[in-house]
Amino acid sequence: EVQLVESGGGLVQPGGSLRLYCAASGFTFSSYWMHWVRQVPGKGLVWVSRISTDETTSSHADSVKGRLTISRDNARNTLYLQMDSLKVEDTAVYYCARAASGTRNSLEVWGQGTMVTVSS
Amino acid sequence: QSVLTQPPSASGPPGQRVTISCSGSSSNIGTNSVIWYQQLPGAAPKLLIYRSNQRPSGVPDRFSGSKSGTSASLAISGLQSADEADYYCAAWDASLNGVVFGGGTKLTVL
Repeated sequence: EVQLVESGGGLVQPGGSLRLYCAASGFTFSSYWMHWVRQVPGKGLVWVSRISTDETTSSHADSVKGRLTISRDNARNTLYLQMDSLKVEDTAVYYCARAASGTRNSLEVWGQGTMVTVSS
Repeated sequence: QSVLTQPPSASGPPGQRVTISCSGSSSNIGTNSVIWYQQLPGAAPKLLIYRSNQRPSGVPDRFSGSKSGTSASLAISGLQSADEADYYCAAWDASLNGVVFGGGTKLTVL
C-alpha cells in the first residue's frame, strides 16, 4: 500500500526548532518529487516547499525561506522538514505529499498530517 | 490573500452541474497547468484534476477541468451529497518559484 506517515509535530516556543519526518512506503521513493503543504485548521492550503528526486533542486515559499528547510534521504525513504526560528504564524497541520508520476507539482499521495503549534 | 482567486462558496441541488472558477495571472495559470484538489471534512486533500484537464484513475468523469488564458474552472456534473467538500486550485508560479493555491471553495449540495 502506498503510504506517507508524518511525525515530529508538537508544541514549541517561538524561536524554537522542530524537525518533521515523513516516512514513505509502498513505492519507489527516490523516483518522485516531494512536497510539504501546511494548513491552519479551518483555513486553506498553503504550499511550503518541494524537493527533486535526487535532492539537487529545492524551493521554499517566501514566508519560510531561511527558516524551514526541506531535505530527503532516499536510502531511508524519508522526507524531512527542518523548522528553525519558528513563529506563531507557523502553527498549522503539516502534510507531506508525493507528486504524481511524470509530474513535479500534482500531489497524488498525501499523509495524514502532523500538527505543529508554536506558542509561549 | 491567495495568489489564485476562487469564489468562497458554491452550491447546487443533487443532480445538477456546478462550476468553480480559479483566476490567476501570466506567471502561473497563464503558463502552467492547473491542478484541482478536493478536501472532505477532516481528511487530507485528494488530487482531482492535473495538467488542467486530466483525471487520475479512480476519479469519476463527473469531474472535469478546463483552462483558458489565465483562468481555469472545475465542473462537477450530477452533483451528489458526497461531493460536499472544499475545492482548491493550484499551479506553479514561475515568478514566485513555488506552488500557489487558491483560497478554496466550499461546495454545498442543497
